[in-house]
Amino acid sequence: EPEVTQTPSHQVTQMGQEVILRCVPISNHLYFYWYRQILGQKVEFLVSFYNNEISEKSEIFDDQFSVERPDGSNFTLKIRSTKLEDSAMYFCASSGLSGAFGSGTRLTVV
Amino acid sequence: AQKITQTQPGMFVQEKEAVTLDCTYDTSDPSYGLFWYKQPSSGEMIFLIYQGSYDQQNATEGRYSLNFQKARKSANLVISASQLGDSAMYFCAMREASGDDKIIFGKGTRLHILP
Repeated sequence: EPEVTQTPSHQVTQMGQEVILRCVPISNHLYFYWYRQILGQKVEFLVSFYNNEISEKSEIFDDQFSVERPDGSNFTLKIRSTKLEDSAMYFCASSGLSGAFGSGTRLTVV
Repeated sequence: AQKITQTQPGMFVQEKEAVTLDCTYDTSDPSYGLFWYKQPSSGEMIFLIYQGSYDQQNATEGRYSLNFQKARKSANLVISASQLGDSAMYFCAMREASGDDKIIFGKGTRLHILP
């Protein structure tokens, strides 16, 4: 069964550094999403992406964040100048009945 | 206003008993989908079960069933014959057909299965 894959599974980065989180969505899906889950809290929507542009973004998704589909298969989330409060689990998802999520990237900003 | 409400922050259940996790939702969209996910301590989000708003029958997947009461806007998850491995965080979520199909999550219920 096709699945959403995310890399890396864990990333530790210094405050102020840029990070890129990578996702390979399910190939025939049209919408792609990033979500964030701060430890112990609910899963929050960040952004949706359709037809090579942002479809919707939450208030969390400020200028520090950007998304890209650079090559037709990967879907990336870039966080510029990371802050301590960016430490969280980041999930990628793509549209479809199953609501499939990737296994997540645990980002730790130190 | 919250779209997905899970009123049980935590539950303790004896192994082999059935457990019901509560979820109510709020939408004015006639077409929507409801999901349940399991999140073990390892952190991944595991899809369990899906119910479409127009589905006539309650969804079932193995030991999981969704008690869908549309008029009450309720979508409770029932786990039969609970196992120790069911201990995890459980999230109810909804996707509305309008817009971009994003999924909105409840705050979750932490389930502890006792031996």
